[in-house]
This record gives sequence, structure tokens and C-alpha cells, in this order.
Amino acid sequence: GAVVSQHPSWVICKSGTSVKIECRSLDFQATTMFWYRQFPKQSLMLMATSNEGSKATYEQGVEKDKFLINHASLTLSTLTVTSAHPEDSSFYICSAPWREGRLVDEQFFGPGTRLTVL
Amino acid sequence: AQTVTQSQPEMSVQEAETVTLSCTYDTSESDYYLFWYKQPPSRQMILVIRQEAYKQQNATENRFSVNFQKAAKSFSLKISDSQLGDAAMYFCAYRSHGSNTGKLIFGQGTTLQVKP
Repeated sequence: GAVVSQHPSWVICKSGTSVKIECRSLDFQATTMFWYRQFPKQSLMLMATSNEGSKATYEQGVEKDKFLINHASLTLSTLTVTSAHPEDSSFYICSAPWREGRLVDEQFFGPGTRLTVL
Repeated sequence: AQTVTQSQPEMSVQEAETVTLSCTYDTSESDYYLFWYKQPPSRQMILVIRQEAYKQQNATENRFSVNFQKAAKSFSLKISDSQLGDAAMYFCAYRSHGSNTGKLIFGQGTTLQVKP
């Protein structure tokens, strides 16, 4: 199957700093990627849809200026948590759909990034 | 809007026994996909099984099978011959067939404990 990687896998930062998380599709091109946030023992909450070459689409309640998304190429999307605060501490997961022609066949998930804000 | 509900926050099963995880969903669409994902302690999401709504036959993957009841909007996962490695959080998910982006809607998740 297709592989999606994330970097870093774990990051600790000080309150007020910005953190960038990368999501890469290693063996396929992804015009769309998804960013999720997951708190312990809870479900994945979709934050935004990252679109290559255009602006990301954010879910209701997600601060666009706080969570900056850039999908600069067909294999890379980045999520930047700006001016991070302890409440931003969470597990962030990206995913990319694998397409067979025009149809989405399956979605592949990155291994996730654990963000801890001190 | 579509919703997915998993009403069992936690389940436990004895090793080698069978367990069923429940999932219900709500949609006005007639064509869609349903999935079960497994999230082990590593937190890597793993696709367990997929069901296409237009197919009446229940999907099976080795020890994993589903009971898809379209009219009742129910999609349960049965794990047979449970193994210690099956311990994980399981998520039921929905995807519109018409969506060409692959956006998934997840249920709340069920944590499965497997007792030796």
C-alpha cells in the first residue's frame, strides 16, 4: 500500500513558539491531504483539508490563523501551529487519499506527531 | 450531515473468543463506503475492513467480518478468535461515494481489551 510519513514524530516546544509538522506521501501524489487532531482516548477530529496549489479548507471552529496549512507540492503538506499554548498539546495526524483514476480508493494515514507545549 | 455513532466506549474479550463492536450511522445518501480502522498503542491508523454500500454481501478479511444492515444503518465488526494483538482502539468511519476527496467521518471509537 501507499505510505505517508510525518515529521517530527514528537516535538516539545515552549509556549508562544511556532511548530511546523510535515506530512509527505512517499510513493504517490496527493492533491489532497487531511489534518486531524486527536486527544487521548478520543476520536480523530478533522481540522482541515489541504489542497495542493490552493488554500486549505478549515472545519468549523478551527482557527485558520492558528493552524497554518501549506500544500506546496503534490507530496508535501505542512501544518504550522503558531504561537503554541499548552492547550494545543495533542496528537496530530495527517492522511492522504489514494486515487485509482478519478475515484478515491483508500485513505492512508501518517504515523502522527505528538506535540507537547510547555 | 452524516454522523457515525459508536455506543461502546470499552469492550473486553477473552483471547480466542469472539467479540462484536457496534456502529450506527446516519445519512440521507444511498451510496457510500463504511470502514473499520484499528489504532493500536503505536497510534498508527490501520484499515481493518471496508464495505461498499451498494454491495449486499458482508465484507470479510480473515478473522474480521462485518454485519452490514443498510436499512437499519448499522455496521458492526466481528472479530473471531481474538488475539492479544487485536487490543486497540477501533473506529468506525463513513465516506460519501460522491466525494472525490476521501473525507472520512469517524465515530467516537471503542477501546478493545483482550484478556489472556
